[in-house]
Amino acid sequence: DAMVIQNPRYQVTQFGKPVTLSCSQTLNHNVMYWYQQKSSQAPKLLFHYYDKDFNNEADTPDNFQSRRPNTSFCFLDIRSPGLGDAAMYLCATSRDGAGPTPSSYNEQFFGPGTRLTVL
Amino acid sequence: DAKTTQPTSMDCAEGRAANLPCNHSTISGNEYVYWYRQIHSQGPQYIIHGLKNNETNEMASLIITEDRKSSTLILPHATLRDTAVYYCIVCYNTDKLIFGTGTRLQVFP
Repeated sequence: DAMVIQNPRYQVTQFGKPVTLSCSQTLNHNVMYWYQQKSSQAPKLLFHYYDKDFNNEADTPDNFQSRRPNTSFCFLDIRSPGLGDAAMYLCATSRDGAGPTPSSYNEQFFGPGTRLTVL
Repeated sequence: DAKTTQPTSMDCAEGRAANLPCNHSTISGNEYVYWYRQIHSQGPQYIIHGLKNNETNEMASLIITEDRKSSTLILPHATLRDTAVYYCIVCYNTDKLIFGTGTRLQVFP
């Protein structure tokens, strides 16, 4: 089945030690997103790629970076994780990021997430 | 910031209809209403969307008031597997889903 895959599901890192989370998709979608979801909070968009074009949210810390080497893969790099970066990180894809029409919508498909623990 | 207001939590008996309200009084003319849900330990899942007409699909129905200032998501026959956090989102640019706090729906036997 076509899907969004995130590895690993659980990641433990040390304070200040760089960590990379990965996401892959078999949907051949143009757009890939990264969200951060802290405990008991809603997901918050960090950035997204429309094909190779990177779009950063204004309030995403510089500590967070992303790479998309090809259509299928996207990585989230946290350069110096702090305790406040402990969260679930969700990857999502959509076929096309364009606005909706009444009859169609490019829904976002989410992966299961990677839970990051910072010690 | 999210443009929607939802009750924090709701309960529903299995087999009954679950009606989840959402207020979006500042919605603008070209903004859509989207509903996603997040089952525990999973990523969010799209449910339905609408502009001004009522919509129905295999998962749910969406009722939007005539003035578009509020809407209701209806799960016609709730099951235990529908227990989740339901997010009502208002936006036009679908690149930017801004999730609010959502409604935690508990379906009980």
